Amino acid sequence: EAGVTQFPSHSVIEKGQTVTLRCDPISGHDNLYWYRRVMGKEIKFLLHFVKESKQDESGMPNNRFLAERTGGTYSTLKVQPAELEDSGVYFCASSQGQGKVSYEQYFGPGTRLTVT
Amino acid sequence: AQKITQTQPGMFVQEKEAVTLDCTYDTSDPSYGLFWYKQPSSGEMIFLIYQGSYDQQNATEGRYSLNFQKARKSANLVISASQLGDSAMYFCAMRDSPGFQKLVFGTGTRLLVSP
Repeated sequence: EAGVTQFPSHSVIEKGQTVTLRCDPISGHDNLYWYRRVMGKEIKFLLHFVKESKQDESGMPNNRFLAERTGGTYSTLKVQPAELEDSGVYFCASSQGQGKVSYEQYFGPGTRLTVT
Repeated sequence: AQKITQTQPGMFVQEKEAVTLDCTYDTSDPSYGLFWYKQPSSGEMIFLIYQGSYDQQNATEGRYSLNFQKARKSANLVISASQLGDSAMYFCAMRDSPGFQKLVFGTGTRLLVSP
């Protein structure tokens, strides 16, 4: 069974540009999460999808970040326009469960974003 | 708000010895879950072990065990018989209120296992 995949693995962009990160969850997982780790700090939650719906987007830093999950499958996270403080590693995770708590989240390898 | 504290930025251990990675947490919710993840240099986050707040026994998974002390709000990870492949970052995390499945993470502990 394939794990959570993320693309690209690395991205270097200039301040003001746009970047789109993609996450493919484990097949059949309804729950999809985005997290971010800024250098030296803790991993922070961004948002949670249940299928195609946003369950919790309390961690999204501002309106420069837009997340979508087309048809409840893969998800994209767009940063537009990117700022220097957006640099970090963006993790995607998925878990099973429909309306019930499922405790294990499977993480992808992350996308390292560098904004120069 | 929920908070996870990992006070050890780095730990060293010799191969075959046991090591304890500290984690304390803060929450006012009576129902919560505690997790440990391992992040090797390759970058992926690997789930290691889970402890529910109502679990009566400490969780164990192979060489990993969780020393859960509810009154002290601590959930330390114990790795027995360390191996070179255990060298990695280790993150403690908490899932807060049921229905809100986001994880709150600590800053991590880097473990180095020497021969």
